[in-house]
Amino acid sequence: DVKVTQSSRYLVKRTGEKVFLECVQDMDHENMFWYRQDPGLGLRLIYFSYDVKMKEKGDIPEGYSVSREKKERFSLILESASTNQTSMYLCASSFENQETQYFGPGTRLLVL
Amino acid sequence: DQQVKQNSPSLSVQEGRISILNCDYTNSMFDYFLWYKKYPAEGPTFLISISSIKDKNEDGRFTVFLNKSAKHLSLHIVPSQPGDSAVYFCAASDEGGGGSNYKLTFGKGTLLTVNP
Repeated sequence: DVKVTQSSRYLVKRTGEKVFLECVQDMDHENMFWYRQDPGLGLRLIYFSYDVKMKEKGDIPEGYSVSREKKERFSLILESASTNQTSMYLCASSFENQETQYFGPGTRLLVL
Repeated sequence: DQQVKQNSPSLSVQEGRISILNCDYTNSMFDYFLWYKKYPAEGPTFLISISSIKDKNEDGRFTVFLNKSAKHLSLHIVPSQPGDSAVYFCAASDEGGGGSNYKLTFGKGTLLTVNP
């Protein structure tokens, strides 16, 4: 069964803190993605990776960075959290030659 | 520039009736389309997909129709059930070359409510 896990379901951080969101998949997928979901805006792609140590910017990369040191793990980093980064963060993964992405349960981040 | 549009933010139907969710796209390079379903506080789950070489794909109560000339697709749910109440996202993929293969572009979603 497909499994994508995210390190936290809910997170509260203060402005200026460094925040790490972890995502792990056990399906041996090559591609991994980070999205944020906001009301009325749908899912917006932040960063994605199609191989270990590879990364590409999505549509809204500003204020974020990522790390992929192992195939199964993709981390999203907020270098200095701001209130406008309060959102639901969703991780997804897929095989390199398939469009279907499988999502984790999401992390709801509140930045105060 | 919104390349995938779901113009109805919400839709309400009676249990047992048909639900029709619509999606329009502007990028003619899109050639694979997917529908995802999302419950509150959960991640989206894949529902059904269609390739641009087809105009219809069916899976149980769910059917997706694609009209390439109109750049329009729709998801039909028959019969609708209260458990179908969720946000539905339309997504599209451009199988172009390079490292961006299989990146999905999502619409903003439609909240479907199925009333008992």
